[in-house]
Amino acid sequence: AQSVAQPEDQVNVAEGNPLTVKCTYSVSGNPYLFWYVQYPNRGLQFLLKYITGDNLVKGSYGFEAEFNKSQTSFHLKKPSALVSDSALYFCAVRDKGYGQNFVFGPGTRLSVLP
Amino acid sequence: DGGITQSPKYLFRKEGQNVTLSCEQNLNHDAMYWYRQDPGQGLRLIYYSQIVNDFQKGDIAEGYSVSREKKESFPLTVTSAQKNPTAFYLCASDRGLGSEAFFGQGTRLTVV
Repeated sequence: AQSVAQPEDQVNVAEGNPLTVKCTYSVSGNPYLFWYVQYPNRGLQFLLKYITGDNLVKGSYGFEAEFNKSQTSFHLKKPSALVSDSALYFCAVRDKGYGQNFVFGPGTRLSVLP
Repeated sequence: DGGITQSPKYLFRKEGQNVTLSCEQNLNHDAMYWYRQDPGQGLRLIYYSQIVNDFQKGDIAEGYSVSREKKESFPLTVTSAQKNPTAFYLCASDRGLGSEAFFGQGTRLTVV
């Protein structure tokens, strides 16, 4: 069975500081990993994904994430946070086995303080 | 522009009433999904469809029904059997196993 954990319900960071939103996962095989962002009353927007290859993945709006197979983690990072980054962030996993659906974490609310 | 369109954005349902949420995509994606989002619970899968005229139950299908008569359309009906339907409903699609999901803007359903 697949599962995703986001251990922090809320992350607060000052504008201009680096931010990290944590994600760990469990799959039976090799994972596809994704990060999404959600603004209030809107759908989810795709930020980045890990499929294979380089463990450091760069995505939209200056975000990046590092795949760590030994720690089964896929933490989202940004070197310098903006107030406009304040939103709800979801990590998702998909097992490469055929027919596996997305499994989403519970979400982490990021607040960037001016 | 390509994308997924959900309608309506807001929907109010009376007790004992069935309502249908629309989801249309022009991305030519085979797979489509319906999720329910409640505060603090993330996204839960209601139904999904990998191909036209075929769909499968997700984790919380009770009280819901779907159809997939066209590749572009995947409507969700919330029946009177769903006892707690107030939630934010999200439709999504994807183009294959390694691709990301594309989401609509959501429908907020409220029971009055």
